[in-house]
Amino acid sequence: SSELTQDPAVSVALGQTVRITCQGDSLRSYYASWYQQKPGQAPILVIYEKNKWPPGIPDRFSGSSSGNTASLTITGAQAEDEADYYCNSRDSSGNQLVFGGGTTLTVL
Amino acid sequence: QVQLVESGGGVVQPGRSLRLSCAASGFIFSRYGMHWVRQAPGKGLEWVAVMWFDGSDKYYADSVKGRFTISRDNSKNTLFLQMNSLRAEDTAVYYCARGLYTNHYNGMDVWGQGAAVTVSS
Repeated sequence: SSELTQDPAVSVALGQTVRITCQGDSLRSYYASWYQQKPGQAPILVIYEKNKWPPGIPDRFSGSSSGNTASLTITGAQAEDEADYYCNSRDSSGNQLVFGGGTTLTVL
Repeated sequence: QVQLVESGGGVVQPGRSLRLSCAASGFIFSRYGMHWVRQAPGKGLEWVAVMWFDGSDKYYADSVKGRFTISRDNSKNTLFLQMNSLRAEDTAVYYCARGLYTNHYNGMDVWGQGAAVTVSS
């Protein structure tokens, strides 16, 4: 199966913009989705099919993709955005899914 | 409201079996592909398995292939995960999650609260 690589930790000043990246060969062929997880809670889908929002997700979250890299951008980060973020996509076989290792976002 | 509720978790000895259930409500269960995802203590998310909306196909992570079986009963709106030959490294919170209606591989938009499984002697 393929791998998805994320930076373990990222920080951003309150109100500033932060980009969280996810790298993997399978991203050249398949969409990435992004999940937010806060301590003790189940994950929440925040972006799917590269740049679509589920209902209820603020539009300060956006997604993009280029080559083997998918990105989640938070424009004007809020204190409540402090969480772990995971990317997810199919592997090279197209039949399995794989998660990135996760990025812990700290809002300063 | 749309909801997934897992049950069946617990403490089990290595080599033994356990079956998790996931009861769905608030949506037409038989129209959605469904996933199991797990998270070991202090670790990241790991995808475990997927089953097509009608049960016609299923796939597994390499780490559980041959030991775990995903199934569903659309008449009872329930997803299952049969876990055999359990190992210490299977210790995790197990989440069931609904795949997107448009393509169940492109995102998981509803998650349960998780069922804790501990494999220990």
